[in-house]
Amino acid sequence: EVQLVESGGGLIQPGASLRLSCAASGFPFSTYSMNWVRQAPGKGLEWLSYISGNGSTTYYADSVKGRFTISRDNAKNSLSLLMNSLRDEDTAVYYCASLGDYYDSSGDYYYVAYWGQGTLVTVSS
Amino acid sequence: SYELTQPSSVSVSPGQTARLTCSGDVLAKKYARWFQQKPGQAPILVIFKDSERPSGIPERFSGSSSGTTVTLTISGAQVEDEADYYCYSAADNNLLFGGGTRLTVL
Repeated sequence: EVQLVESGGGLIQPGASLRLSCAASGFPFSTYSMNWVRQAPGKGLEWLSYISGNGSTTYYADSVKGRFTISRDNAKNSLSLLMNSLRDEDTAVYYCASLGDYYDSSGDYYYVAYWGQGTLVTVSS
Repeated sequence: SYELTQPSSVSVSPGQTARLTCSGDVLAKKYARWFQQKPGQAPILVIFKDSERPSGIPERFSGSSSGTTVTLTISGAQVEDEADYYCYSAADNNLLFGGGTRLTVL
């Protein structure tokens, strides 16, 4: 069974830093790229960051570029998001998700869409 | 930068057909996916590659694409289909979500 379990959320003051973690199991973690996606209260989904399977490639949304850093430890099947200089508008549920197009050993296409249940980050003084 | 535009809400009666659209220039060259999200839950994939349905998703869910617009069709919508629906695609080095459509079935 595929599982993605986020942790590290909580109440944090503006300007502070926070590290979120995501523990993965049930799928070949190092093979799949990973993402962080957030959802502010009552709002839609916002993609934040991508990391390739081997960790060599990362992308960020403009809203978090320079403040957030994505990383992964394939030996521990773990994904992280280091968030610096947090702002009120960073308040959201943060999801880790594996979303991507792949081909199996037979060359057949398949799509992966695994989501965690999210962790709430509240930025407030 | 690319954007995906969805109507904020769609309302149908049970048994009617719901059509949810998503528009954006990127859709002319990239596949769209659709996610369903119910309150307090993580999103669930209902359509990928514009029109493919994952296993376990009811046949009443279908997708189509024409130019820069993709459409999620729910034929014979059920009360349990009431949810937020997000289209999603990839562009350059970014992943894009549409703003979401709240589907009401009542």
